[in-house]
Amino acid sequence: DAKTTQPPSMDCAEGRAANLPCNHSTISGNEYVYWYRQIHSQGPQYIIHGLKNNETNEMASLIITEDRKSSTLILPHATLRDTAVYYCIAHNSGGSNYKLTFGKGTLLTVNP
Amino acid sequence: SAVISQKPSRDICQRGTSLTIQCQVDSQVTMMFWYRQQPGQSLTLIATANQGSEATYESGFVIDKFPISRPNLTFSTLTVSNMSPEDSSIYLCSVGGRTGELFFGEGSRLTVL
Repeated sequence: DAKTTQPPSMDCAEGRAANLPCNHSTISGNEYVYWYRQIHSQGPQYIIHGLKNNETNEMASLIITEDRKSSTLILPHATLRDTAVYYCIAHNSGGSNYKLTFGKGTLLTVNP
Repeated sequence: SAVISQKPSRDICQRGTSLTIQCQVDSQVTMMFWYRQQPGQSLTLIATANQGSEATYESGFVIDKFPISRPNLTFSTLTVSNMSPEDSSIYLCSVGGRTGELFFGEGSRLTVL
């Protein structure tokens, strides 16, 4: 997996958009960008992933730069329950390769 | 997505004893994975549990310490053997989705005294 770099922590006001950046400048052409989050004392939760196009689902949007060297996870209307550690992982999901390398992630704190 | 149940959710154990953690999935899956999360740390892959064959361990983890069983496509166990306080962690079971994502159980929080 390519190395990813995330800020250790971020704050966001409740109801505002939370934009979490991730740098993956050494990502290879067949590696996807995956985002997970871990709410305190729970197992990690898959959020979204993408290769080069922007993606959106019911939880979040993923914006990947054209050169694929960085991405941003957007939570459009953050709530207190979105307070969690968010992990960005660059990973080749080809075949049965599910081995993920988790970094330290970004602790997002949503404030009332 | 898959629904993954782990037992126990938490336990307090004495040094030198062993504990077996169970993982049950609501659908058949080819590969199951066991992760460890030490206090304040990120997740580390322990091993891949393969149905019908021995588990595949990551560097730094050995079968004698973390024996794994995978009797069928919906169930696996991880045993933490001869425990020491350094084994105090959250142990997580996970399975792969159709597009490379992983789904995790809620974890088993182990405290070794």
